[in-house]
Amino acid sequence: GNSVTQMEGPVTLSEEAFLTINCTYTATGYPSLFWYVQYPGEGLQLLLKATKADDKGSNKGFEATYRKETTSFHLEKGSVQVSDSAVYFCALSEAGEYGNKLVFGAGTILRVKS
Amino acid sequence: DTEVTQTPKHLVMGMTNKKSLKCEQHMGHRAMYWYKQKAKKPPELMFVYSYEKLSINESVPSRFSPECPNSSLLNLHLHALQPEDSALYLCATRGGTEAFFGQGTRLTVV
Repeated sequence: GNSVTQMEGPVTLSEEAFLTINCTYTATGYPSLFWYVQYPGEGLQLLLKATKADDKGSNKGFEATYRKETTSFHLEKGSVQVSDSAVYFCALSEAGEYGNKLVFGAGTILRVKS
Repeated sequence: DTEVTQTPKHLVMGMTNKKSLKCEQHMGHRAMYWYKQKAKKPPELMFVYSYEKLSINESVPSRFSPECPNSSLLNLHLHALQPEDSALYLCATRGGTEAFFGQGTRLTVV
């Protein structure tokens, strides 16, 4: 079946550091790819998405490019802030006979220190 | 309106209680989902409703009973839960390719 693999955390950075969170996937066909963010005590928020190969999703300074050749969707940000501390989930959309499902990676905790 | 609203935000219930979680959306989306999330883990899919009909049940125990009264509402009825059912329960709706999540209900079973 389809799956998503994320780098293990926690990732601890100083404010204004460069962020990369690796995400690779295994899927049949060409799924849509997503990054969701979860702040403490909250639900998941869609951070960015890409629906086809070479698409770049971007939002709030975060970017990720859908790389079909490497089956990757790495999340990057040039300068992180303390407020970016959260759990980040990479996910793909899986179409099935009975409906669409999201397949999540394990999540990566990001801690940003001032 | 891009909100998915879940109530209550927190719920403590005994193992013999019956309670319900509610989810409301006014985004016009026809797919609605229940997820369960344990601490430090990704969400796990429980149920999918498509056009108000249950389309996916991920082998969830019968002590969890979903209901979709109309296209805006999704309920999760809880009965005879176990302490290991304590978790964050998330509702989501889907429009196009992306899913939108509510803030969740933090459930504690005592």
